[in-house]
Amino acid sequence: EPEVTQTPSHQVTQMGQEVILRCVPISNHLYFYWYRQILGQKVEFLVSFYNNEISEKSEIFDDQFSVERPDGSNFTLKIRSTKLEDSAMYFCASSGERDSPLHFGNGTRLTVT
Amino acid sequence: KNEVEQSPQNLTAQEGEFITINCSYSVGISALHWLQQHPGGGIVSLFMLSSGKKKHGRLIATINIQEKHSSLHITASHPRDSAVYICAVNTFNTDKLIFGTGTRLQVFP
Repeated sequence: EPEVTQTPSHQVTQMGQEVILRCVPISNHLYFYWYRQILGQKVEFLVSFYNNEISEKSEIFDDQFSVERPDGSNFTLKIRSTKLEDSAMYFCASSGERDSPLHFGNGTRLTVT
Repeated sequence: KNEVEQSPQNLTAQEGEFITINCSYSVGISALHWLQQHPGGGIVSLFMLSSGKKKHGRLIATINIQEKHSSLHITASHPRDSAVYICAVNTFNTDKLIFGTGTRLQVFP
């Protein structure tokens, strides 16, 4: 069964550095999402992406964050100038249609030191 | 107040027991999702429903739109069912899922 893959599984970075989290969604899916889960807390929506543009973003998704689908297969989340509070598990998800079940990747655990 | 509330927060059971996890929500929804989060962190979609009942193997999900309530049932529970079960909802005209805090289930042999 096709799956969403995320790399790396764990990223450690120093405060102030930029990180890029990578995702390969399921190939025929059209809707892409990033979610994050701070340790011990619930999962939170960051951004949705469709037709090569952001369709919705949360208050969390400020100018520090950006998303890109550079080559038709990868879907990336860039975090500029990371802060300690950016430490979390970041999940990529995709779906074939807007109202269909999401397929999640296994997540990237980001640790900012 | 959280828009999506789950109960209980933690649940332990003996293998073979019937499990029920509840989810209540306070917003209008277009769909409700039940998700399973494994100890390693990965999330798997179990059900997406907007009315009635769905069954997959030993798992059953029900939803009552009027009462804004959904339940996830596990029949003949097994230690491999141990995970966090998360309820999440789609509201109208939005892409985002709103998540509950999850129910941690441990099934002992």
